[in-house]
Amino acid sequence: QKEVEQDPGPLSVPEGAIVSLNCTYSNSAFQYFMWYRQYSRKGPELLMYTYSSGNKEDGRFTAQVDKSSKYISLFIRDSQPSDSATYLCAMSGLIQGAQKLVFGQGTRLTINP
Amino acid sequence: NAGVTQTPKFQVLKTGQSMTLQCAQDMNHEYMSWYRQDPGMGLRLIHYSVGAGITDQGEVPNGYNVSRSTTEDFPLRLLSAAPSQTSVYFCASSYSLQGVGEAFFGQGTRLTVV
Repeated sequence: QKEVEQDPGPLSVPEGAIVSLNCTYSNSAFQYFMWYRQYSRKGPELLMYTYSSGNKEDGRFTAQVDKSSKYISLFIRDSQPSDSATYLCAMSGLIQGAQKLVFGQGTRLTINP
Repeated sequence: NAGVTQTPKFQVLKTGQSMTLQCAQDMNHEYMSWYRQDPGMGLRLIHYSVGAGITDQGEVPNGYNVSRSTTEDFPLRLLSAAPSQTSVYFCASSYSLQGVGEAFFGQGTRLTVV
């Protein structure tokens, strides 16, 4: 079982739709949860960052963490064609004495005009 | 404002050849890492460094070597290239270790081993 599971998609939705991206994880030691956005042929860039359980909102983006279910989500409201990218979840924590960062497989998202 | 710079952007190697992928950052970050990205596998950590002179193995270190003589530079060496090392390689730097803080990525090096 992978430590972090993310549906690779691809996911294709019409412009203006609400998008939900999700990851599950198995290690309860993860404490920091992140979403990175990666445009084609570019490096990933940090989009959202949350600590522990709860919600965090930034404009059209909302990150949600449910530690009891080991489940994190990223919601995109009023999606735009410029949101088309691969979204990677990532999480980190102190595991076996070392700080560890693990990425999901990434979900490729296309927003159709 | 360069951030993290990787060279080269593209490379084709023959099986058995060696090469060095360069990575430099100008943000004075202590922590630097190398990842490979393969379809369906996400980003996998190859090696990382917590400061000049200190390196450690990640998830997939075999066939790769690193050194960190300065804070700015963190080169990745392929000792004897194999087709299984065909991938996109990303270098990243961060203020703190492994995600407690933002990781900045370079543009990537697309490597093909034939």
